[in-house]
Amino acid sequence: DTGVSQDPRHKITKRGQNVTFRCDPISEHNRLYWYRQTLGQGPEFLTYFQNEAQLEKSRLLSDRFSAERPKGSFSTLEIQRTEQGDSAMYLCASSLDVEQYFGPGTRLTVT
Amino acid sequence: GQSLEQPSEVTAVEGAIVQINCTYQTSGFYGLSWYQQHDGGAPTFLSYNALDGLEETGRFSSFLSRSDSYGYLLLQELQMKDSASYFCAVPGGGSYIPTFGRGTSLIVHP
Repeated sequence: DTGVSQDPRHKITKRGQNVTFRCDPISEHNRLYWYRQTLGQGPEFLTYFQNEAQLEKSRLLSDRFSAERPKGSFSTLEIQRTEQGDSAMYLCASSLDVEQYFGPGTRLTVT
Repeated sequence: GQSLEQPSEVTAVEGAIVQINCTYQTSGFYGLSWYQQHDGGAPTFLSYNALDGLEETGRFSSFLSRSDSYGYLLLQELQMKDSASYFCAVPGGGSYIPTFGRGTSLIVHP
């Protein structure tokens, strides 16, 4: 396995548009996380899946954000009606236990 | 809620030893992790301390004192490639939701 992959690596969108990101975790990992990171900050937790079940979602996550992990494999993160404040790096990570393996991230720019 | 405090920046010279501290406040505690992130790269896992004491992995060591809600990452024989951001992180409750600190930027000078 080559690790966690994310697609696309970069996304530029206009305010108000919807965007969807994909994450492919390490195949045997049952846990999958989404984070958002802005410059000079640590990764900020967004949501977490164990297999296909979404177990936790940050209270900071507005209703414009939704995530899925069908069949407990890849995951998608959708942001509806994007705002300029959504501009950030979106990171996906997978794990079996405490050690998390991060993907390269999707950099979102909202103009 | 959970919060972690770490210095924003640390500078050192090649070959030196540097310590990056982390204090935390959590509603539950399952251990302290450390991650490294180079500019433009993804965070990579360095270490995890579930119990008090020192864990050593090559040039890097990590320490935890649960009674003091404190830990540190110790980097020895610093190399230029160690210039990066270092994050401490704590898992949440039984659902393993980590909270990351804001990160410490380590700058290694020749």
